[in-house]
Amino acid sequence: GENVEQHPSTLSVQEGDSAVIKCTYSDSASNYFPWYKQELGKRPQLIIDIRSNVGEKKDQRIAVTLNKTAKHFSLHITETQPEDSAVYFCAASRVGGADGLTFGKGTHLIIQP
Amino acid sequence: NAGVMQNPRHLVRRRGQEARLRCSPMKGHSHVYWYRQLPEEGLKFMVYLQKENIIDESGMPKERFSAEFPKEGPSILRIQQVVRGDSAAYFCASSPQGWGTDTQYFGPGTRLTVL
Repeated sequence: GENVEQHPSTLSVQEGDSAVIKCTYSDSASNYFPWYKQELGKRPQLIIDIRSNVGEKKDQRIAVTLNKTAKHFSLHITETQPEDSAVYFCAASRVGGADGLTFGKGTHLIIQP
Repeated sequence: NAGVMQNPRHLVRRRGQEARLRCSPMKGHSHVYWYRQLPEEGLKFMVYLQKENIIDESGMPKERFSAEFPKEGPSILRIQQVVRGDSAAYFCASSPQGWGTDTQYFGPGTRLTVL
């Protein structure tokens, strides 16, 4: 089955700086890669996703890049703000797959004022 | 359009009791996934259901756990004879088309505590 590794487990950045979170996956058949943000005690919320026919996708301050050859994808947050503080999870799945999303263990992002 | 609903939000059970968790998907969504999240960990897939069908239950323990998604009403995750290790947050997610192609929208979760 799929295995997703996520790094770092904790990331502390100064407000206004950029944050990068990286994930690798093992199943070359995976072709859907969402990122979720989870605040303490809340539900995971989708912030951006990318499919394997695209190498990069951007939505305002958030961007995701995908390298299918190397089997890794990354989340980039620019101009970080205090409300970006949360746990971020990457995930992977494959079209036609019936086994749900495989999640990484999460990155606790701390924005220092 | 209401989001994914789960109830109860918090559930306390004593060892040996049954826990019943409910999930109502978003309107128009016929695919439901259940995930378990242990403290300080990511979400682990448990089971994927469509109306009246279990599509994949490879992530669900073989004993004590069962899930259903009837033609009418919410999806239910049932845990019999709960043990302390079952304490976790249980999230369901729904999508309109499923099969790994679609965005999954998560409910607020049920936090199960086993005393």
